[in-house]
Amino acid sequence: NAGVTQTPKFRILKIGQSMTLQCTQDMNHNYMYWYRQDPGMGLKLIYYSVGAGITDKGEVPNGYNVSRSTTEDFPLRLELAAPSQTSVYFCASCGQGYEQYFGPGTRLTVT
Amino acid sequence: AQRVTQPEKLLSVFKGAPVELKCNYSYSGSPELFWYVQYSRQRLQLLLRHISRESIKGFTADLNKGETSFHLKKPFAQEEDSAMYYCAGNGQNFVFGPGTRLSVLP
Repeated sequence: NAGVTQTPKFRILKIGQSMTLQCTQDMNHNYMYWYRQDPGMGLKLIYYSVGAGITDKGEVPNGYNVSRSTTEDFPLRLELAAPSQTSVYFCASCGQGYEQYFGPGTRLTVT
Repeated sequence: AQRVTQPEKLLSVFKGAPVELKCNYSYSGSPELFWYVQYSRQRLQLLLRHISRESIKGFTADLNKGETSFHLKKPFAQEEDSAMYYCAGNGQNFVFGPGTRLSVLP
């Protein structure tokens, strides 16, 4: 199993550009999450999903959108990128238990 | 509001010394609590959860409901324990603390 994979690993965006961060898991987990991690700070939940077709906002959803058309994929969309969205983005999934499995992260810089 | 705090951003200890990483939580009800670890250039991974009451890599953590704490302890630190440690709670939402960077010096 590849576990949780994220693409791209790094990206630089100009202000106002849009992009999609991809997240895929092959563990058939129902729960999936998107977090951002700012320098020196903890993880903040952006959006989460409890299953295909169901998504909900986390602590910091503004400026982001998600979709969950399949169990495996949970892409995160940034519209009109802003410098405040410069961060490291982590995707995670969770099955029947409470352990979250994390992807390697995407480092995004908006200039 | 649900909240997890870790008062120390950085903790340095010498190899062989005891280590304690502090975590306090503010939750209504009975949350499930976890410690996650992120070694250099690796992804976050679960270290232990309070329900299992197990010891992983020599680390233990006891839930103290009276003090609302879930401190992580190890009697003899090793250099390979150097990493970022995150305390997390799962109540209504999954909430992570800000993390503590542990540096074990030779």
